[in-house]
Amino acid sequence: DVKVTQSSRYLVKRTGEKVFLECVQDMDHENMFWYRQDPGLGLRLIYFSYDVKMKEKGDIPEGYSVSREKKERFSLILESASTNQTSMYLCASSFRLKVLDFGAGTRLSVL
Amino acid sequence: AQSVSQHNHHVILSEAASLELGCNYSYGGTVNLFWYVQYPGQHLQLLLKYFSGDPLVKGIKGFEAEFIKSKFSFNLRKPSVQWSDTAEYFCAVKPPQTTRTPMDSSYKLIFGSGTRLLVRP
Repeated sequence: DVKVTQSSRYLVKRTGEKVFLECVQDMDHENMFWYRQDPGLGLRLIYFSYDVKMKEKGDIPEGYSVSREKKERFSLILESASTNQTSMYLCASSFRLKVLDFGAGTRLSVL
Repeated sequence: AQSVSQHNHHVILSEAASLELGCNYSYGGTVNLFWYVQYPGQHLQLLLKYFSGDPLVKGIKGFEAEFIKSKFSFNLRKPSVQWSDTAEYFCAVKPPQTTRTPMDSSYKLIFGSGTRLLVRP
């Protein structure tokens, strides 16, 4: 019954490393999203994509980029990881029902 | 700035107590409203949603929420909580459609900061 899969549950990286977070959905959804979840701040939208190769910035895109080469896959890229990017990253997808299906999350620690 | 506010960050209740979690938003126009829940160690899942129609919405596990347009509120309620309701609850709003956003092809949810509920057995 897997719907949205994030490739890693936990990641530890060093400052300055390039980091890739991968997300795959098997529901043929057009829309995919990357959120960041921090205590007391809720979920904040980093980027979203409404079609292959299409992307729009969310509320906190600085320091991140994304790639959507195939409909089912949406990657979040940290070009040069910094300690303030230590967080829980949530991928989600949606279709016309406008309900988001979330992945289990990737907890990233940048040392 | 436009936002979604959850005023209670931490709530502690005993089993069988009634629950009401507040959610207010500051967007005008037609909005879609959601409550999501995150149980310990699990991913976020939808509890209930409001798009239109009856402002009293029933969700899973005995939860309900009432949309009061005049108060810009969408409070979550449950008459009698259980220990298994211990979780973090997030209110979310889809802001009104704008001319910049393609119809049905772009969708953005704004989340509140969350409320951690602890239910004591």
